[in-house]
Formats: sequence, C-alpha cells, structure tokens
Amino acid sequence: EVQLVESGGGLVQPGGSLRLSCAASGFTFSSYDMHWVRQAIGKGLEWVSGISYAGDTYYPVSVKGRFTISRENAKNSLYLQMNSLRDGDTGVYFCARVESGRYEAFDYWGQGILVTVSS
Amino acid sequence: DIQMTQSPSSLSAYVGDRVIITCRASQSITTYLNWYQHKPGRSPRLLVYGASSLPTEVPSRFSGSGSGTDFTLTISSLQPEDFATYYCQQSYDTPPTFGQGTKVEMK
Repeated sequence: EVQLVESGGGLVQPGGSLRLSCAASGFTFSSYDMHWVRQAIGKGLEWVSGISYAGDTYYPVSVKGRFTISRENAKNSLYLQMNSLRDGDTGVYFCARVESGRYEAFDYWGQGILVTVSS
Repeated sequence: DIQMTQSPSSLSAYVGDRVIITCRASQSITTYLNWYQHKPGRSPRLLVYGASSLPTEVPSRFSGSGSGTDFTLTISSLQPEDFATYYCQQSYDTPPTFGQGTKVEMK
C-alpha cells in the first residue's frame, strides 16, 4: 500500500525557517517524481515545488529562492526546506507522488501537515 | 503559466442529481487534465486523469471528458459521500496549475 506521511510542520515567526519531511513507503520511491502542494486556509490547492526522480527541481515564482526541495532515495524521503517564511506561506502542505503513466497526475497524497507563519 | 478556470465556484444539489463541473484552460493542454476530490481534513483524491480515465477504485458514476481547452467532470447520480470540493489541474506544462475549485453542497 502506498503511504506518504508528512512531518515537521508547526508555528514559526515571519522570516523564520522550517523543514518539512515526507516519508514514503509501499512503492519504489527512487523511480517517481515527487511534489509539494499547499492549501492556504479557506483557499484552493497551489503547487509549491517538484523534484524529478533524477533530481531536477522546479519551483513557482512565489517560492523560488526561498524554498528548496530535495530527496534522499536511500531513506525513501522527500524534504522541503522553507526559509524567509511569510504570512502567506501559512497553510496545509501535502507531499504528492506523480505517476508519469497517468498523464503526470498526482496519484497519491499525504495527509498534510500544517505550517503557521505568525508573530 | 496556464490558467485554469472552473465553473461554477459552488453548487447545491440533491442526492441523485446529475452534476456537471466545467474547467477551461487558457491554452490547449491536449488531454493533460486531471480532476481531484477534496474533503476537509482529508488528502485530495485523484478522480480522473488524462481528461477521461478513471483509477480503478473510483466509482463509475464519475466521468470526465474534453480536450484542448474545455473539459467537464460529470457525476451521474450524486451520492452523500460526494459532497466535497472538486479541482481540475493541468499537467501539460510546468508549473502545474489548479482551478479554483468547485464546492458541491447538499441542497
């Protein structure tokens, strides 16, 4: 059974840093592209970053230069280092797997972890 | 970035109703269009990929259609467990982008 479990969320002051982790199991982690998607409270889904199985990384303008996505295949783990956090980064962060055989859809998602940026 | 626009933003329906949600892309995305169901406090769930294909575990009352820029998600007979927010998402180009969501509420 595919499982994705996020950890590392919490309360942080504006300008602070936080590192999210996503532990994967039930599939060959090293073969899949992985992404982070967030949802601000009361808002829709927003893509935050992606990393290919080969290690290529992708970011939207809103987080580029502040967030860094990485992976450690030996530990079946995905990470998101978030620096210079802003109020607008508050939300629930999901890690998600991409299935290339399903038109690059996000086919499995974690349960989400809350990040609150507030003074 | 490719903009995705869903309509309506919300709708009220009875159990048993046929529900149709539309999604329009700002440029052609061929069939790289996916639909998700999201309930509060839960993980989003993939409902449709490639515009019209269903994962095996998704009930057949859900269907998707369209290509190019215009797409629809249809629920043929709304069930109590279907009350949720639905999102379309394009995976044709980076960044992947989502529609703003359609909240389906009980009438």
